[in-house]
Amino acid sequence: DQQVKQNSPSLSVQEGRISILNCDYTNSMFDYFLWYKKYPAEGPTFLISISSIKDKNEDGRFTVFLNKSAKHLSLHIVPSQPGDSAVYFCSLFGNEKLTFGTGTRLTIIP
Amino acid sequence: GAGVSQSPSNKVTEKGKDVELRCDPISGHTALYWYRQSLGQGLEFLIYFQGNSAPDKSGLPSDRFSAERTGGSVSTLTIQRTQQEDSAVYLCASSFRSVGTEAFFGQGTRLTVV
Repeated sequence: DQQVKQNSPSLSVQEGRISILNCDYTNSMFDYFLWYKKYPAEGPTFLISISSIKDKNEDGRFTVFLNKSAKHLSLHIVPSQPGDSAVYFCSLFGNEKLTFGTGTRLTIIP
Repeated sequence: GAGVSQSPSNKVTEKGKDVELRCDPISGHTALYWYRQSLGQGLEFLIYFQGNSAPDKSGLPSDRFSAERTGGSVSTLTIQRTQQEDSAVYLCASSFRSVGTEAFFGQGTRLTVV
């Protein structure tokens, strides 16, 4: 039973355009939401987060949106840069642990 | 360094042997997590520690897997009688507290069972 789903395993975006990564969840117990970025042969690194009491959080080129009624989380990257090419995981905190999605491989095309 | 450190970075073992993976969390971090990532898969939760106790062991795939944490710091994940399906990258993460803070990951241990 996959509680956190990232339905797009891969995404290609032109450099300079907006990248939109999506994440859906099934359980309302989650109260804190995070995005992680992972390069090959490295551990995931924290990117941006949002608490359940907010619907938007912005940090430079990265914005996270939370729609609790739809149980949907998204990450917007604009403008996209070649260094953004990586695997992105959404991560939801609840019951004292982080539950991760399956990841989306983002490729930025120069 | 001040980050999460995992050792070894790579481990090749024969089927049936036992292996021990080590995680040194960031100093002062009370929460410690073990995850694994199999080829083409997402991050699978294994076990979570708060201090030395493990409130959630629900992700351990079988009784061949065990983990402990001593002194609220170093943790070891032990896999007994390894099988080929145990081949994966094993990731450790730590956080300052369990609620509402991001976890910091180590670089992982790539385990290959041949």
